[in-house]
Amino acid sequence: AQSVTQLGSHVSVSEGALVLLRCNYSSSVPPYLFWYVQYPNQGLQLLLKYTTGATLVKGINGFEAEFKKSETSFHLTKPSAHMSDAAEYFCAVSENNYQLIWGAGTKLIIKP
Amino acid sequence: GAVVSQHPSRVICKSGTSVKIECRSLDFQATTMFWYRQFPKKSLMLMATSNEGSKATYEQGVEKDKFLINHASLTLSTLTVTSAHPEDSSFYICSALGGLGYTFGSGTRLTVV
Repeated sequence: AQSVTQLGSHVSVSEGALVLLRCNYSSSVPPYLFWYVQYPNQGLQLLLKYTTGATLVKGINGFEAEFKKSETSFHLTKPSAHMSDAAEYFCAVSENNYQLIWGAGTKLIIKP
Repeated sequence: GAVVSQHPSRVICKSGTSVKIECRSLDFQATTMFWYRQFPKKSLMLMATSNEGSKATYEQGVEKDKFLINHASLTLSTLTVTSAHPEDSSFYICSALGGLGYTFGSGTRLTVV
């Protein structure tokens, strides 16, 4: 069965520092992988997704993620955090590009 | 780009009343729509999957008679919370699956008093 694990329910970084949000998954077939961001009281917005091809995926707002099959990971990074990045981030996986399996989410806190 | 409009964004209702939440795909046809519920400090929980013109498929533990889902057209799905109780207070999000993938609504904050 598929599952998604996001390490750390809260991650705190200083403004300007590297952002690293971890996501590991289990899947029996090559999955589709997604990162979504949710700002307070808003719906989800797609940051980036991996389907096939290049394993380093660039998304919006300067975020990127790398699919590492050997590590079954899809960690999200951003070189320099901005105050506006404070939000909740969700990793999701799909084996059939249909139904999503969600991670528990990581709240990103940016310290001034 | 694909846009999904979800209304209302916030609603407060009294216990025992029903509330309808609409989810519209504005510029694409969505054969499948998903309804999620988000509990505080927890991840999204899929409530049901609806396909246009057919009955929704509910996840285990979700009361289908309480959470009525209608997907009458390729651009509209509705979720009706019937006989709402305070424990139904939550953030509900819809998602529409179209040619460009998933597009999420902006969510509805339901408060039952």
